[in-house]
Formats: sequence, structure tokens, C-alpha cells
Amino acid sequence: DSGVTQTPKHLITATGQRVTLRCSPRSGDLSVYWYQQSLDQGLQFLIQYYNGEERAKGNILERFSAQQFPDLHSELNLSSLELGDSALYFCASSVAEDSSGANVLTFGAGSRLTVL
Amino acid sequence: AQKITQTQPGMFVQEKEAVTLDCTYDTSDPSYGLFWYKQPSSGEMIFLIYQGSYDQQNATEGRYSLNFQKARKSANLVISASQLGDSAMYFCAMNSNFGNEKLTFGTGTRLTIIP
Repeated sequence: DSGVTQTPKHLITATGQRVTLRCSPRSGDLSVYWYQQSLDQGLQFLIQYYNGEERAKGNILERFSAQQFPDLHSELNLSSLELGDSALYFCASSVAEDSSGANVLTFGAGSRLTVL
Repeated sequence: AQKITQTQPGMFVQEKEAVTLDCTYDTSDPSYGLFWYKQPSSGEMIFLIYQGSYDQQNATEGRYSLNFQKARKSANLVISASQLGDSAMYFCAMNSNFGNEKLTFGTGTRLTIIP
């Protein structure tokens, strides 16, 4: 158990629908990161939050949004789902804001989304 | 922008042998970190080892060592005495130490250990 909790583990839905993926970071970690892992795109960075504020944005589609709540858990919302959104979505957390040393990301087990 | 290149899509290695997984990187940042993660078939991402760009010595963690050659921009992972449980995808990744903590990943190498 990495300490990063992601729910649900598996999700099957239809095109056009909306889903919410949830992440609880490791105790003490202030940063949360979302990654998408698909077969043809590898691990793609979506977005990072630090202590409730958006800190960095990657190749996140406009149909996707995220937020980090005061208790530091985070949610990734995926809407108007398409077949190509089927992927493994990882949440990761870390301690540091500005790191002068290792900023190791600890990953959750992932949420596997299948869009039919 | 940062870029990680892993040129070995797959490797087969005999059990108990050592294996080197290649990783080259490109960045304009003066200070950065290099990481290796393991992803078994179960899907989770497991942190293995870290090397800071200013670290003088190569990092080691048990059977894992990172062969860091800064001038060549390479950060190869060496696994000694491979075990069947080492069969997995291995990802090289990097970040910047100047306010850009997100990891940029390579495409991975699938390692299969043969009994």
C-alpha cells in the first residue's frame, strides 16, 4: 500500500457520459498530480495541485477538470467521454513545493476507465 | 522542455544475470532529478531509485543502481542478479528542481526474466 488511495479502481461507462475519479494523497503530502496512461500515449501529465491551488498544467483536455479540496483530496472530472479516453488514470502525491532534493512522486494504484 | 528517451521496447534476460536498461534525457534546466519506476502487470507504479544532477556518486538501492553519465545525458538502470519478480515495465523519468516538480516519463522498457 503506497498510501495514495484512488477510487474507483475500475469504471466502465458509455460515450458522452461524465465520471469523477477521486484521490486521497499520502498523509503529509501537499502536492497531487494526475497522469493518464494509455497504450499509445504512455504516461501523460495532466495537472498538478499544491495545497489547493493549481500549480502546473499539462496536456489536459478542456473536457477534463480537476480540483484539490481543503482536506487535500483531489478529484478529476472527465466529461463528454470518448472512446479514446479509455485509459489508466493515476494520482500521485509528493511533499515538496520547491524541491532542492528528490521530489519523489508516490503513485496510487490507478483508476482504470473503459469507455464503451 | 524535458524529454526522456528509452530505446529498448523490450528485453529478455536470464534469471540471475545483470541487466542494463537504457535512458537518455534532454533538458535545459541546470538542476534536475532522474528517477526510475517499475510497473508490474498489476499496474501500480513503484519508485525504485533517484539521482540528482549534482550528485557526485551514482545512486544505489539494493540490487538497483543508476549509471549516471551527465556529459552523455544518460541515466541507465542496472539491476543485478535479476529475479523472476523483476519482470515488469520500467520507466525512466525526470523533473526540474526549479519549481517544476512534475515528472516527465519515457515510453518504458518491458523486461522479461527467463527462468
